[in-house]
Amino acid sequence: DSGVTQTPKHLITATGQRVTLRCSPRSGDLSVYWYQQSLDQGLQFLIQYYNGEERAKGNILERFSAQQFPDLHSELNLSSLELGDSALYFCASSANSGGSETQYFGPGTRLLVL
Amino acid sequence: GESVGLHLPTLSVQEGDNSIINCAYSNSASDYFIWYKQESGKGPQFIIDIRSNMDKRQGQRVTVLLNKTVKHLSLQIAATQPGDSAVYFCAEDKVNQGGKLIFGQGTELSVKP
Repeated sequence: DSGVTQTPKHLITATGQRVTLRCSPRSGDLSVYWYQQSLDQGLQFLIQYYNGEERAKGNILERFSAQQFPDLHSELNLSSLELGDSALYFCASSANSGGSETQYFGPGTRLLVL
Repeated sequence: GESVGLHLPTLSVQEGDNSIINCAYSNSASDYFIWYKQESGKGPQFIIDIRSNMDKRQGQRVTVLLNKTVKHLSLQIAATQPGDSAVYFCAEDKVNQGGKLIFGQGTELSVKP
């Protein structure tokens, strides 16, 4: 158990809908990262938040957004969902602002868009 | 573009044998490397890491080797066990660019009893 929690574990929705994925980092960790894992793209970095502020951005679609709250939990919002958004979404956390430090991953949310 | 890639997508070994999983990276500015293990239905699990100022690092039954000359990273697992069966990913990071890990494609390790 990494100490990172994610909810829900599974999510099934329809195209055009909006969903919110939730992540709680390990106790004491200030950074939260979101990754997408799909069969054709592998594990791809989406976005990082550090202590409530956006820190780094990857190839995140404009339809996707995230935020980190004062209690350090984070939410990833996916809107106008398309079939291709079906994937595993992982949250990871690290102690500080990132860069050469270990990231610990949660169990993931499996999103299926029908 | 710069990327991290794995030479072998699948590796099958006998229980008790040693396993070697390889990874090539192209970004010479990367200075931190991590190996993750991912079991079916689970998130990536940290195994071992190494910084660019080191060539070798050992953990419990695992060793990571870094060859900066040829930009090559390897994970050695001693006395491989059935519980080691999983997909293994290497990832690279660079100081001062936040925590944007770049992952390789993964190698599936299958351990035969």
